[in-house]
Amino acid sequence: DAGVTQSPTHLIKTRGQQVTLRCSPKSGHDTVSWYQQALGQGPQFIFQYYEEEERQRGNFPDRFSGHQFPNYSSELNVNALLLGDSALYLCASSPSWGDDEQYFGPGTRLTVT
Amino acid sequence: GNSVTQMEGPVTLSEEAFLTINCTYTATGYPSLFWYVQYPGEGLQLLLKATKADDKGSNKGFEATYRKETTSFHLEKGSVQVSDSAVYFCALREGSGTYKYIFGTGTRLKVLA
Repeated sequence: DAGVTQSPTHLIKTRGQQVTLRCSPKSGHDTVSWYQQALGQGPQFIFQYYEEEERQRGNFPDRFSGHQFPNYSSELNVNALLLGDSALYLCASSPSWGDDEQYFGPGTRLTVT
Repeated sequence: GNSVTQMEGPVTLSEEAFLTINCTYTATGYPSLFWYVQYPGEGLQLLLKATKADDKGSNKGFEATYRKETTSFHLEKGSVQVSDSAVYFCALREGSGTYKYIFGTGTRLKVLA
């Protein structure tokens, strides 16, 4: 049973560029959340998707957007990258909307130069 | 706003020592509380949880009790092993129909043989 998978593993971008990160949830899970984890910090909630809609959002600007597909996989898009966007981006899936259990992927390390 | 505060690390213990990692929270309503663990090179894993006051979560010898009167959820283990070396994150999920998670900054535990 595959867990949560994320791609790519590492990414280097230049300021002002755009980036797309991808996540496949654990089999049987329909809810996907995205987090940003800066070095030495805890994960910060970006947003959560269920039934292809953004259901909850944290304190992140509109440059951060997402999408969920009918197969429950998800993308995180960040426009106009800033140096401060350099972080580990984590995807977590849950069996269903409102479920406490979250299963995290290994993350995508984004470096903005 | 809601927040989670953890004791700063790193915490270094000898094998079989008693572990306490302090966690306090600020929240409106009735949040659920969690401890997640991140082993070296791995993604975050749910360690234990408690969903209401006086609940005790436990797993793998770790325990934490939801104390509403002191707004705390301290993690304890009676006898740590080298394999417990990891980063531990305290987190809350906001209540009242929202599902935003707020994580602490993490506490690194190093257990020496």
